[in-house]
Amino acid sequence: QLQLQESGPGLVKPSETLSLTCTVSGGSVSSGPYYWGWIRQPPGKGLEWIGTIYYGESTYYNPSLKSRVTVSVDTSKNQFSLRLSSVTAADTAVYYCARLTGKFDLPYYYYMDVWGKGTTVTVSS
Amino acid sequence: NFMLTQPHSVSESPGKTVTISCTRSSGSIASNYVQWYQQRPGSSPTTVIYEDNQRPSGVPDRFSGSIDSSSNSASLTISGLKTEDEADYYCQSYDSSYLMWVFGGGTKLTVL
Repeated sequence: QLQLQESGPGLVKPSETLSLTCTVSGGSVSSGPYYWGWIRQPPGKGLEWIGTIYYGESTYYNPSLKSRVTVSVDTSKNQFSLRLSSVTAADTAVYYCARLTGKFDLPYYYYMDVWGKGTTVTVSS
Repeated sequence: NFMLTQPHSVSESPGKTVTISCTRSSGSIASNYVQWYQQRPGSSPTTVIYEDNQRPSGVPDRFSGSIDSSSNSASLTISGLKTEDEADYYCQSYDSSYLMWVFGGGTKLTVL
């Protein structure tokens, strides 16, 4: 059974870079045809999609975050990662990693079917 | 890019049926599949409906999904409500123009 586990600092200073890793167990990050993504949820608010990567090649980012976001895959460690630069208090949230499943290898057929438990990141000095 | 609008909250009694709507602001609701996620307090989301009306294994058939082109909206219907259904529900679709996954704002379901 596939499991995802987020890890990274729980506290990040304003203007610094937030870095999170999602470790995949019970499956391979390089096996297809799956996409891998990050979603966040500010305190008391709804879900916001951040970014998605496919086979370590194609990446898709939320236009509102695109200039600050990088999603990458490390197949040797069976992990994928999120980097969000120049953070502010507005980036304080629970961050989830997720596997996306679908068909035809086309993004618009893909949806989140396995989620990690989430990790809380607070941006504060 | 389009938005998905959901009611902030709905409530209903155990054993009854409730429907949660999700209205797409522009473009056709039928253009891309709609998914529904359930998020219980303190937990991560889980999928209850995918591809408009498909249930993942393990999701009871009390959960059903549909789309209505006339109102440009998707709906999640839960029948025979149980207290365990109390949760936040999010609809989600894909914006092919902006190449992004879009979530609705979420609906808090109270079963009382």
